[in-house]
Amino acid sequence: AQSVTQLDSQVPVFEEAPVELRCNYSSSVSVYLFWYVQYPNQGLQLLLKYLSGSTLVKGINGFEAEFNKSQTSFHLRKPSVHISDTAEYFCAVSESSGGSNYKLTFGKGTLLTVNP
Amino acid sequence: DGGITQSPKYLFRKEGQNVTLSCEQNLNHDAMYWYRQDPGQGLRLIYYSQIVNDFQKGDIAEGYSVSREKKESFPLTVTSAQKNPTAFYLCASSTSRLAGSHEQYFGPGTRLTVT
Repeated sequence: AQSVTQLDSQVPVFEEAPVELRCNYSSSVSVYLFWYVQYPNQGLQLLLKYLSGSTLVKGINGFEAEFNKSQTSFHLRKPSVHISDTAEYFCAVSESSGGSNYKLTFGKGTLLTVNP
Repeated sequence: DGGITQSPKYLFRKEGQNVTLSCEQNLNHDAMYWYRQDPGQGLRLIYYSQIVNDFQKGDIAEGYSVSREKKESFPLTVTSAQKNPTAFYLCASSTSRLAGSHEQYFGPGTRLTVT
C-alpha cells in the first residue's frame, strides 16, 4: 500500500514570490506521481505528472516538479506566483505496475494563498 | 465538449433519506471513481469501477452503493446508513492503462448537505 504526505497544510506567499509545495510518498513498488489543483467549489485539474524519464517535469500554469527517488519526494515549484494561483493543491501516487490497478492515493492537500 | 458532468451542484436532504448523485462521462473511459472530500482530509475513495457491470469497494464504502449498467454512467447512492453524509462528492474517470494514460479526470463535484 502507498501513502502520501503533504508536509504543509497551508502556505501563504506574496505575489511574484517563488513557492515550493512539498510532497513525500511511501510505496514498496515503483510509482507514478501527480499534482492536481482545485479551485474553490470545483473539481480537480491535473497540473503535471511523472511517469518515467526526466525527473524534472513541467506542467501547466508555469508549475514544475522534481521526482527524487532516493528521498521519495515530488515537490511542486513555481518561480513567481500570481493571485490566480490561490487554490488547494493535491499530490497523488499510483502504482506503476499491477496491470489494471488504477487507484490513486491522495495527500491531504496544501492550501496556497497568494497575497498582494 | 468531452467531459464529466455531475448533477446537481448542490443537494440538500433530510436525515434518514437515501439520495442518488449522478455522474456521466462522454470521454469513452473504461474506469470510473467516486471520492468523498472533507476539509483537511484530502480525497478518499468510496467505490470504483473498471468495467461495466463490475465495481469494487474503496476505502470508505460503508453506507454507500453504486451501479455501473452503462459505460457512461456511474451513479452513487448515499444511504441512510452513512453516519456523516454531508461532504463534497467528486466523480472521476480514466482510460485503460493499456492505452497509455494514467491520470484521472474529475467532474465539478456535488456538495451534499444532510440536516
